[in-house]
Amino acid sequence: DAKTTQPPSMDCAEGRAANLPCNHSTISGNEYVYWYRQIHSQGPQYIIHGLKNNETNEMASLIITEDRKSSTLILPHATLRDTAVYYCIVRPGSSNTGKLIFGQGTTLQVKP
Amino acid sequence: EAQVTQNPRYLITVTGKKLTVTCSQNMNHEYMSWYRQDPGLGLRQIYYSMNVEVTDKGDVPEGYKVSRKEKRNFPLILESPSPNQTSLYFCASRTQGGGNQPQHFGDGTRLSIL
Repeated sequence: DAKTTQPPSMDCAEGRAANLPCNHSTISGNEYVYWYRQIHSQGPQYIIHGLKNNETNEMASLIITEDRKSSTLILPHATLRDTAVYYCIVRPGSSNTGKLIFGQGTTLQVKP
Repeated sequence: EAQVTQNPRYLITVTGKKLTVTCSQNMNHEYMSWYRQDPGLGLRQIYYSMNVEVTDKGDVPEGYKVSRKEKRNFPLILESPSPNQTSLYFCASRTQGGGNQPQHFGDGTRLSIL
């Protein structure tokens, strides 16, 4: 599975957009980009995923560069409850083990 | 409500006393998996199951057993727990359809082995 690089921490003001970057320069053609978050030792929560195209759901937007070597997760209006560790994960869509490799992630602190 | 349920949420026990952590999902998912999370090591996969009666080892299977007799349940068994199995455990599930479907995680079980 491709390795990802994320900044260890970021701050964001409440109500502003939070833009979390992820570098995955060695991504393969069949690998998807997934984003999960973990709030204070709770179970990881799925946010969004994509292959090539930008994606949007009720939680966030995912912007993937044309060369697919990096992506950005956008939380459009961050709230205090969005304070969490955010993980960017790349893996094949048809992985036999289904294993998710969680790196160190980005700790997002949303401040009032 | 679609969910993955783990029990117990917290357990303190002693070395060598067999224990089972249950995991149940109500989404009719084929795939289920167990992870452990330790400081500085992230989440590591222990075992996974592609469907009923089909299980396989993950990255850190030593000291653990699993079974998958029913689609909804995937218990994690520690036959003779040791202190190095003190950890935060998560169960996850997903549908096999499409292969790229996201995994849904339980709320975790914090085990302390004294």
